[in-house]
Amino acid sequence: QVQVVQSGAEVKKPGASVRVSCKASGYTFTSYYMHWVRQAPGQGLEWMGVINVGGDRTSYAQKFQGRVTMTRDTSTNTVYMELSSLRSEDTAVYFCARGSGSYHLDFDYWGQGTLVTVSS
Amino acid sequence: DIHVTQSPSSVSASVGDRVTITCRASPDINTWLAWYQQKPGKAPKLLIYAASSLQSGVPSRFSGSGSGTDFTLTISSLQPEDFATYYCQQANSFPPTFGPGTKVDIK
Repeated sequence: QVQVVQSGAEVKKPGASVRVSCKASGYTFTSYYMHWVRQAPGQGLEWMGVINVGGDRTSYAQKFQGRVTMTRDTSTNTVYMELSSLRSEDTAVYFCARGSGSYHLDFDYWGQGTLVTVSS
Repeated sequence: DIHVTQSPSSVSASVGDRVTITCRASPDINTWLAWYQQKPGKAPKLLIYAASSLQSGVPSRFSGSGSGTDFTLTISSLQPEDFATYYCQQANSFPPTFGPGTKVDIK
């Protein structure tokens, strides 16, 4: 069965970077896109970007351009999201989610979420 | 970016009630709309895609309808496990955008 498992919680200082991993199993890894969505405490869902795992192409939300990098390792079926120049407003739960549907923009399987806390 | 709104922001209901949540997108997104359920501390779960298609494993009491700019999610008979927050999301174009959510709680 499809599983998406993320790395554990992180605590970072302002200005630092964080890298979150997302390991997929149970399907052909390179046939799907993987998106990243974040949720600040008590807030809604915010799309950050996507990696076309098979083609290694990325597309990022304008808000995160220049600060986010998404990569993948096909040997381990893992996708990574790195966010730099962290500030307190980046404190959130970060989710990876598999893209499905005709435009790969439905999110059918989600990781469990990774809490990133930015605090001095 | 496509703007997505939801109403109401919250609804109080009882087990067995019929609950309807509305989502509006601007501009037109054809039927490229998804609905998710999220419980506290958990990841969202896909319920409906393409406006009206039920995701595998989702109970049939959930249904979706609409096209263009106006969409609805209906829970025909609310069950205890349905108390959660529901989000709509446009899947028509980049960047995908979510509605602000509707919290369904116990009356």
